[in-house]
Parts: sequence; structure tokens; C-alpha cells
Amino acid sequence: DMQMTQSPSSLSASVGDRVTITCRASQSISSYLNWYQQKPGKAPKLLIYTASSLQSGVPSRFSGSGSGTDFTLTISSLQPEDFATYYCQQTSSTPHTFGQGTKLEIK
Amino acid sequence: EVQLVESGGGLGKLGGSLRLSCAASGFTFSTYSMSWVRQAPGKGLEWVASISSNSWYIHYADSVKGRFTISRDNVKNLLYLQMNSLRAEDTAVYYCATYYAGANDYWGQGTLVTVSS
Repeated sequence: DMQMTQSPSSLSASVGDRVTITCRASQSISSYLNWYQQKPGKAPKLLIYTASSLQSGVPSRFSGSGSGTDFTLTISSLQPEDFATYYCQQTSSTPHTFGQGTKLEIK
Repeated sequence: EVQLVESGGGLGKLGGSLRLSCAASGFTFSTYSMSWVRQAPGKGLEWVASISSNSWYIHYADSVKGRFTISRDNVKNLLYLQMNSLRAEDTAVYYCATYYAGANDYWGQGTLVTVSS
């Protein structure tokens, strides 16, 4: 099965900071990589699909890049509502594996 | 507005069974593939199963293969997850989600399954 490794596992940052989270696949997944945001007690929310496409309604400060095995999620200027846990997911093949998550906390 | 509402969670016995349902509205259910994703308490997301729009293509995580069955009723706009031979490690919040363009774009609020002896 495909393994997805996110880094870092946790991150402290301040409002206004630029933040980057990375996700690495154990094999090439082309661009079949999605990013989700999850807040405590809530369902995940799709932010980015197929590596770099912004889901409708998601602020433009979120962006994604990469292909093959290495991907990044960037938040250009952190807002208070962005403090949450972020997950990558590959859908190149089943099982549609998630990364272990990156918890973004307020510094 | 897309709505997905899970039900059927609760306390299940070790070795027992539960059936989860997901009621869909606000979109043409019969044209969408669907997924179940779970999250154990304090843990990350785990993909469980997926089913194509016409039920021809079904896939399972190894952790549930042979014990769980995903199915759908495109007349009633319902997605199901039949869970048999329950284990303690099946304790989780179970989410149903639409699957479109390679991503799970809409999610329900989740239903908690607790497996105990």
C-alpha cells in the first residue's frame, strides 16, 4: 500500500506567518494528492485537490504544489481560523491513504 | 445544498454487528461515488471503503476487508456500511463523503461507533 508521510507533525506559528506543510508518497502518485483541514469535533474540509486545484470557497491564501512523490501545502498569511490539523490524502490507488496529520498551533 | 447525514452509530459488542447509514440530499446521489472514512479517538483519518455510482466498483481497506460491506440504494439516496465481527479497534467516528474528481469533497458530520465487551 502507498504510504503518505507528512512533516512536520506539529507546527507553531503566528498570525500573518507563511507556513508550509509537506507530504511525501512512498511511490509516484502523479498529481492525485488532496489536502484537508480539520478542526476539533468537525468533519474534514477539502482545501486542495489534484495537488494544486483550489476547492470552491477556499481562500486564495491556501495553495498546493508538487507532483510525483513530493507535495506542499502553503498558507501565505495565517489567519486565526487557520489553526487546525491538516491531512494529505492520495487517491492514485486504493486504499486512499491519508498522511498522519500536521497540527498547526498558535505561537 | 449538499447534505450527508450519518446514523446508526452507538455501542456495539465485540464480535457483533452494526449497520451505518448515510442519507444524501442536495445533489444527484446516483451519479457520485461515495466513501466511508473513520477516525479513532485522538487519531488521524483512515479511509475505510469506497463504492462507485452504480456499485460496480467496490474497494476496502485491509483492516476491514471480509468484515465490512459497503452498499448503496440509489432510489432512496442512501449509503450503507454493514459492520460485522466488530473489534475494539473499530471504535471511531465514521464519516461518509462524496468522491468526485479524485477527492472527497463533501462530508457528513460523522457518527460515533464504540465497540466494547
